[in-house]
Amino acid sequence: DAGVIQSPRHEVTEMGQEVTLRCKPISGHNSLFWYRQTMMRGLELLIYFNNNVPIDDSGMPEDRFSAKMPNASFSTLKIQPSEPRDSAVYFCASKRGFNSPLHFGNGTRLTVT
Amino acid sequence: LAKTTQPISMDSYEGQEVNITCSHNNIATNDYITWYQQFPSQGPRFIIQGYKTKVTNEVASLFIPADRKSSTLSLPRVSLSDTAVYYCLVGDGDSGAGSYQLTFGKGTKLSVIP
Repeated sequence: DAGVIQSPRHEVTEMGQEVTLRCKPISGHNSLFWYRQTMMRGLELLIYFNNNVPIDDSGMPEDRFSAKMPNASFSTLKIQPSEPRDSAVYFCASKRGFNSPLHFGNGTRLTVT
Repeated sequence: LAKTTQPISMDSYEGQEVNITCSHNNIATNDYITWYQQFPSQGPRFIIQGYKTKVTNEVASLFIPADRKSSTLSLPRVSLSDTAVYYCLVGDGDSGAGSYQLTFGKGTKLSVIP
């Protein structure tokens, strides 16, 4: 089992640029979550999908953030335009269903200068 | 949404048993209690999950009293490699609305001292 795969591992970009983070969940998992982690705010849930359908995006900070899950094996989180305050580690996680644990990827460390 | 409260930090010497307690006063009937461990530069990793009474696996034990308003993660004989942040997560039960209540709290930073 390859686990949850995120890319890129690190991303450095300038303010105003578009950033796309990618996630491949574990095969057979039907729920996918995007989290953001900073020292100040800890782990924040941004959005999650069940069976490729977005269920709750109330954690998405602004309209600059968008997420898609075109199929069961791929999801993207896009920030356009990016700002320095978006700098954080972004984690993707997947799970099989209710009462099963989350499996996290190793995250993407985003730095916006 | 069940809110959790944990100590911000704890210190322990190698070889000792560590108990980290999490309070979750408004836990819902269908909610499970799950603990995760996070090392720097890594995503959180599942440790143990329970609903009531006691659960034990090869890594830890989880004690849940009858009222389920708190839970205690027990790590036997900790080593330096157990230094990490530990999160208590409450939710994930079938709320009937198809939604998860999977919000992390601040976690407990455990430092193991040689």
